Amino acid sequence: GAVVSQHPSRVICKSGTSVKIECRSLDFQATTMFWYRQFPKKSLMLMATSNEGSKATYEQGVEKDKFLINHASLTLSTLTVTSAHPEDSSFYICSARDTLGAPETQYFGPGTRLLVL
Amino acid sequence: AQSVTQLDSQVPVFEEAPVELRCNYSSSVSVYLFWYVQYPNQGLQLLLKYLSGSTLVKGINGFEAEFNKSQTSFHLRKPSVHISDTAEYFCAVSDQGDYKLSFGAGTTVTVRA
Repeated sequence: GAVVSQHPSRVICKSGTSVKIECRSLDFQATTMFWYRQFPKKSLMLMATSNEGSKATYEQGVEKDKFLINHASLTLSTLTVTSAHPEDSSFYICSARDTLGAPETQYFGPGTRLLVL
Repeated sequence: AQSVTQLDSQVPVFEEAPVELRCNYSSSVSVYLFWYVQYPNQGLQLLLKYLSGSTLVKGINGFEAEFNKSQTSFHLRKPSVHISDTAEYFCAVSDQGDYKLSFGAGTTVTVRA
């Protein structure tokens, strides 16, 4: 089956530093990947759509300079939280759409828990 | 734009009892509908999806859901739950055009022996 991995699974950083989270499609190519944020006991909020070889599309209210997205290959998208602050602490989940598969189906990664001290 | 309402935030249920999780949506265009399950500290796993055709959709782990266009609902059911079904369940909808998912707030299912 289609597998999506995320690295790291959890990270703790100091306020003001930057953190990079990787999302990889392991056995399929993904032209499009999505980044979500999930607060405790809350639903997933779509942050941005990551497109291979082009700029990401951010949802309203999401700061593009704060959350940098790079989708440099068909199997890897990265989310960098720049100058992280405690309010950025959250569970970040990525998903990927199989380029050759059904366009409506997203495969989700296991998530990355970020704690900013 | 769509919105998704999951009417029950928490559903406690005894093992081997049936369960129904309710989901209603609103959209001005045709949609695809999904149910996902999330186990603690994990990502989401697709249970089932409705794209078109038969309104009764069968998914993994014995779950099924019924699409009701007139009531704009997509309720999830399982006739007999197991302890392992304890998890968070999310209903999601996407426009048939752009495929971006909008999620409901989630329903926590706790199965007790």
